Amino acid sequence: GENVGLHLPTLSVQEGDNSIINCAYSNSASDYFIWYKQESGKGPQFIIDIRSNMDKRQGQRVTVLLNKTVKHLSLQIAATQPGDSAVYFCAENNWGGGNKLTFGTGTQLKVEL
Amino acid sequence: GAVVSQHPSRVICKSGTSVKIECRSLDFQATTMFWYRQFPKQSLMLMATSNEGSKATYEQGVEKDKFLINHASLTLSTLTVTSAHPEDSSFYICSAFDPGQGAGNQPQHFGDGTRLSIL
Repeated sequence: GENVGLHLPTLSVQEGDNSIINCAYSNSASDYFIWYKQESGKGPQFIIDIRSNMDKRQGQRVTVLLNKTVKHLSLQIAATQPGDSAVYFCAENNWGGGNKLTFGTGTQLKVEL
Repeated sequence: GAVVSQHPSRVICKSGTSVKIECRSLDFQATTMFWYRQFPKQSLMLMATSNEGSKATYEQGVEKDKFLINHASLTLSTLTVTSAHPEDSSFYICSAFDPGQGAGNQPQHFGDGTRLSIL
């Protein structure tokens, strides 16, 4: 579901470390999930996606894990860089629901030098 | 590929003014576009689904007469905030997905948003 609040959870990591950003979703009918990165003053940028028939997908420096049993999604960023600093959103989609996206609360990732 | 462009990027205007925001798909045709609103430090909230050649579908609680949507071509959707007031100040973002990328689920691609400030 949607959790809208006034405070974004923050994850601080050291440059070079791995980052793990978590997301819980509520709609068991969701069959497609996307991670977006949003830098200040810009629109969300696609990072990686995963369909519900998969539990893991890897991209360049990023991995998405999907656990449908507990409705949990995570984004792993390897060797985090300063340019990774941004707000990260997970989004869920139900193809039968008109391809509408429901966004999670978001997590602010801060990379410390 | 799959570039979505929004214009203007920022608008500052007086209360009571109507403001039009444009959303264009630059390298693909989009029969469906989406409009979101985002308040500071909050998530994106879907306002409406814009359908080419037909009426937009609004989410619950979004005033149709307040937020007019027109999707007159396969590459352009517009959102008009009518008689804007300070509480309408927000970051408005559009998105579209490229059906040419294949069948099944495809990610939505977002514009860079429009910062609307009503004085």
